[in-house]
Amino acid sequence: QQQVRQSPQSLTVWEGETAILNCSYENSAFDYFPWYQQFPGEGPALLIAIRSVSDKKEDGRFTIFFNKREKKLSLHITDSQPGDSATYFCAAISPSSFSKLVFGQGTSLSVVP
Amino acid sequence: AQTIHQWPVAEIKAVGSPLSLGCTIKGKSSPNLYWYWQATGGTLQQLFYSITVGQVESVVQLNLSASRPKDDQFILSTEKLLLSHSGFYLCAWSPGLGPGQLYFGEGSKLTVL
Repeated sequence: QQQVRQSPQSLTVWEGETAILNCSYENSAFDYFPWYQQFPGEGPALLIAIRSVSDKKEDGRFTIFFNKREKKLSLHITDSQPGDSATYFCAAISPSSFSKLVFGQGTSLSVVP
Repeated sequence: AQTIHQWPVAEIKAVGSPLSLGCTIKGKSSPNLYWYWQATGGTLQQLFYSITVGQVESVVQLNLSASRPKDDQFILSTEKLLLSHSGFYLCAWSPGLGPGQLYFGEGSKLTVL
């Protein structure tokens, strides 16, 4: 049972376009949602995160939109750059299970110059 | 600044042979430590976590064990490797009580033949 789902599995955009990566979850107890960026052969790195009390979080070109009612969130990458080409993981954690961070399957993003 | 180092970078091992992977964190006292496993192109699966020396909690049973012999060291091991153990092993630490904000090491790539 996949508690955190991501779509699409892979995404290709042109340089300068906005990439939209989607994430949904099942457990209504999840209250913190970090996104991680992973380049091939490297460990993931925390990119941006949002708490369930917020509906939007911005950090430069990266923005998370959060819909608690629908249990959905999305990561928008504006003005995409070839250097943004990586796999992006949506993750979630609940206060009752503070030791376990649940990851989605990831979205592989390719930004074409 | 905190640094996390994993060793070895890569291993090719035979089925049935033993394995030991290590992780060291510098610059942070009493970190929360985690082991994750990632199949090629797959999601991250949490294996173990530890909040203090000598204490390790298992999240998923994959015929692996973990130990924390020192405050800054986390070891992953098994006496008999299976083909299914192949993948990318990632050590991570978090500054807070939970793993919401994880800092990953470079990873150890394991190929079991």
